[in-house]
Amino acid sequence: EAGVAQSPRYKIIEKRQSVAFWCNPISGHATLYWYQQILGQGPKLLIQFQNNGVVDDSQLPKDRFSAERLKGVDSTLKIQPAKLEDSAVYLCASSLNLVTEAFFGQGTRLTVV
Amino acid sequence: QQQVKQSPQSLIVQKGGISIINCAYENTAFDYFPWYQQFPGKGPALLIAIRPDVSEKKEGRFTISFNKSAKQFSLHIMDSQPGDSATYFCAASVQGAQKLVFGQGTRLTINP
Repeated sequence: EAGVAQSPRYKIIEKRQSVAFWCNPISGHATLYWYQQILGQGPKLLIQFQNNGVVDDSQLPKDRFSAERLKGVDSTLKIQPAKLEDSAVYLCASSLNLVTEAFFGQGTRLTVV
Repeated sequence: QQQVKQSPQSLIVQKGGISIINCAYENTAFDYFPWYQQFPGKGPALLIAIRPDVSEKKEGRFTISFNKSAKQFSLHIMDSQPGDSATYFCAASVQGAQKLVFGQGTRLTINP
């Protein structure tokens, strides 16, 4: 069974630029999550989708971050404009439903300079 | 109240020894407590998890001990091996959902 796929693996941008990350969850997984992991810290949930609907985006900085999961499968996370403090690893995870184990992708390491 | 506090930040254990990592939480609504293992450049992977209706769960060399009254839980790795060297995260969530609140992480090094 293929795991959660994320791209790109690494991205370096200048502050105030925009960036987008892509996630392809495990086939059949209805629930998809985006987490932000700042160096030396645990992952922090940004947004949770159930199919193509948002379940929780309370910790998403909506003035600069946006996410969508248009056909209930793939998802994109966008940052516009980026700030230095957005430097982190962005992890995508998926699960069969809201109560089963989440499987994480390898993440996208973003560096904002 | 949503925080999960993890200690120590780093831990060095000799091969064959016992590694112990501790976590504490405040939110009494949490009812699912997993531990994740993360290797450099990889995403976290579920290691073992416990619900508050039991005080201990063991899977191979890994054991979770849970103290509901103290709002603490810990991971014990018996017979620690160099391949166990990784960062370990405790986490907690409400109603079994995977909306996880993670601890700060513990970097574990097992010396051969």
